[in-house]
Amino acid sequence: GAGVSQSPSNKVTEKGKDVELRCDPISGHTALYWYRQRLGQGLEFLIYFQGNSAPDKSGLPSDRFSAERTGESVSTLTIQRTQQEDSAVYLCASSLKGIPDQPQHFGDGTRLSIL
Amino acid sequence: AQKVTQAQTEISVVEKEDVTLDCVYETRDTTYYLFWYKQPPSGELVFLIRRNSFDEQNEISGRYSWNFQKSTSSFNFTITASQVVDSAVYFCALSDPLNYGGSQGNLIFGKGTKLSVKP
Repeated sequence: GAGVSQSPSNKVTEKGKDVELRCDPISGHTALYWYRQRLGQGLEFLIYFQGNSAPDKSGLPSDRFSAERTGESVSTLTIQRTQQEDSAVYLCASSLKGIPDQPQHFGDGTRLSIL
Repeated sequence: AQKVTQAQTEISVVEKEDVTLDCVYETRDTTYYLFWYKQPPSGELVFLIRRNSFDEQNEISGRYSWNFQKSTSSFNFTITASQVVDSAVYFCALSDPLNYGGSQGNLIFGKGTKLSVKP
């Protein structure tokens, strides 16, 4: 597709359930990022994938959070045993190469609400 | 530590006014990159500009202009003759090769400035 695609756009779930969020990056982009944006806040880095290298998971807030990426395509972010503080918009971005001067292109995000 | 500060949480102007959004950053590195993104009410972040630390020339793109000053670690954004469609949250972000967990290309965002342009 032309841009970064994320699904679902909205997700409402009960506390304690697991959720899986999906990101389709721009074709040909080797770098993929996940960010979290809490209400009224800036973006908080979660995890970064670059090609076939080991991902940088330094931003994941707890071991309930994990992410996978198949080659240089789709990525899924999984949150296990969700808590109310996980409520946020989860944004995915991709860039042509994972180098600092490349602009990141963002999807519309998944708005996650934990009841 | 690397940090981006956008001190203005919200700004409200009337259409056709000029408005400047402030951004101050902190980094240990001499090579780094600065970005501005726009997040309209629809939610998608839109890339506006990238500037590297070696290029201090100001840039103008239509009604938008950016003033980068290394001496004050600032990268301010000015909208001239604002329009209602400029209403959005604007984020300043920093990227440098040695930052934040060692992840190249990771962006450190400020908390954003919400701009409301009233007709």
